[in-house]
Amino acid sequence: AQTVTQSQPEMSVQEAETVTLSCTYDTSESNYYLFWYKQPPSRQMILVIRQEAYKQQNATENRFSVNFQKAAKSFSLKISDSQLGDTAMYFCAFMNRVNAGNMLTFGGGTRLMVKP
Amino acid sequence: DTAVSQTPKYLVTQMGNDKSIKCEQNLGHDTMYWYKQDSKKFLKIMFSYNNKELIINETVPNRFSPKSPDKAHLNLHINSLELGDSAVYFCASSPWLWTSLDTQYFGPGTRLTVL
Repeated sequence: AQTVTQSQPEMSVQEAETVTLSCTYDTSESNYYLFWYKQPPSRQMILVIRQEAYKQQNATENRFSVNFQKAAKSFSLKISDSQLGDTAMYFCAFMNRVNAGNMLTFGGGTRLMVKP
Repeated sequence: DTAVSQTPKYLVTQMGNDKSIKCEQNLGHDTMYWYKQDSKKFLKIMFSYNNKELIINETVPNRFSPKSPDKAHLNLHINSLELGDSAVYFCASSPWLWTSLDTQYFGPGTRLTVL
């Protein structure tokens, strides 16, 4: 079974600064996806970024980028130029590509507060 | 247009009652899911369905019965509600396996409170 660990329950950052959220995972699989989802106070789960394990290049989406270290089983999220609207819970998630029905396994979440 | 919708958004009920939560997706996806988010924000898969067939059942009590009348709908029926069932329930959908588009799209969630 896969496990996903987010070691930072809460973080804060000043507006316009950069913050990195940590995520580690444990799996014996080689073919999988990793995701970061954002859950603002509205409760909606919003996909932030995704990474395919076979791709060595780190995914980027505007101000969001990841540092994917496959050997270390680490998948951190960097948010540049933080904005007040980035305040939310952030969840790291793992999906095994084979024989798992596309099931997402989530970490416990990191609550991020962006301060003005 | 809402991609994945759930009704109701809030549900307050007494212990022992039976209730249903409805989910619909208009994305043309083949696979739908139910997740439970507890009071500590921990999210866990409950079920997944592909084309109306059950794929995953993650040791959920049999008081929970998902029903998929067609591939655009996956409803969750809960019998004999217990206090521990209080949570936010999320429906999600995605294209089927073996495609490159495996991203799951979530509904807005249903907050269930059992008194």
